[in-house]
Amino acid sequence: DTGVSQDPRHKITKRGQNVTFRCDPISEHNRLYWYRQTLGQGPEFLTYFQNEAQLEKSRLLSDRFSAERPKGSFSTLEIQRTEQGDSAMYLCASSDQGSGTDTQYFGPGTRLTVL
Amino acid sequence: DAKTTQPPSMDCAEGRAANLPCNHSTISGNEYVYWYRQIHSQGPQYIIHGLKNNETNEMASLIITEDRKSSTLILPHATLRDTAVYYCIVRVMTFNFGNEKLTFGTGTRLTIIP
Repeated sequence: DTGVSQDPRHKITKRGQNVTFRCDPISEHNRLYWYRQTLGQGPEFLTYFQNEAQLEKSRLLSDRFSAERPKGSFSTLEIQRTEQGDSAMYLCASSDQGSGTDTQYFGPGTRLTVL
Repeated sequence: DAKTTQPPSMDCAEGRAANLPCNHSTISGNEYVYWYRQIHSQGPQYIIHGLKNNETNEMASLIITEDRKSSTLILPHATLRDTAVYYCIVRVMTFNFGNEKLTFGTGTRLTIIP
């Protein structure tokens, strides 16, 4: 069973550095979502793709954040000039628009710690 | 998407049924009720969803009141592995652009007691 995978699972970086996370969705899922979760809170939506098109971005996604899904398969989320406030779990989910339920399935997440 | 209200925490004895309530009094006619859970340090796991009929799958049952203003997730025989935060989410089911995101609250922290 190939679910949603994310890499790396953990990332520790120093303030000001750039980081990039990768998400591989469930095969043939055309929708891919990024969420962020801070301690004690539920996940918050960041952005989503339908195939390679980025269709919605939250205001949480500042100009230091950029996401891509160049071939409509895997996606990357890059954070430039990291700040301590970026420390969080970054979650990726995917769904199949044509399934009739469009249920989102989540990956294990990437935990980012900014020192 | 409509807001939901859940108790912050609940305990349940192992082997008993765990009943998790959710209020969604402002739910619209085209909004579904979804349940996810999140075990510590893992990604959310989909459990079940429904519109107005009761639903059951291998994990749980979902009971939605006739006026759709509240629902209950039932785990029939809770085990220690069911200890998690449970999120109730209402979401418009569309296949057009927009409203695809899930809006999570803070959920209910369910602890299964041995």
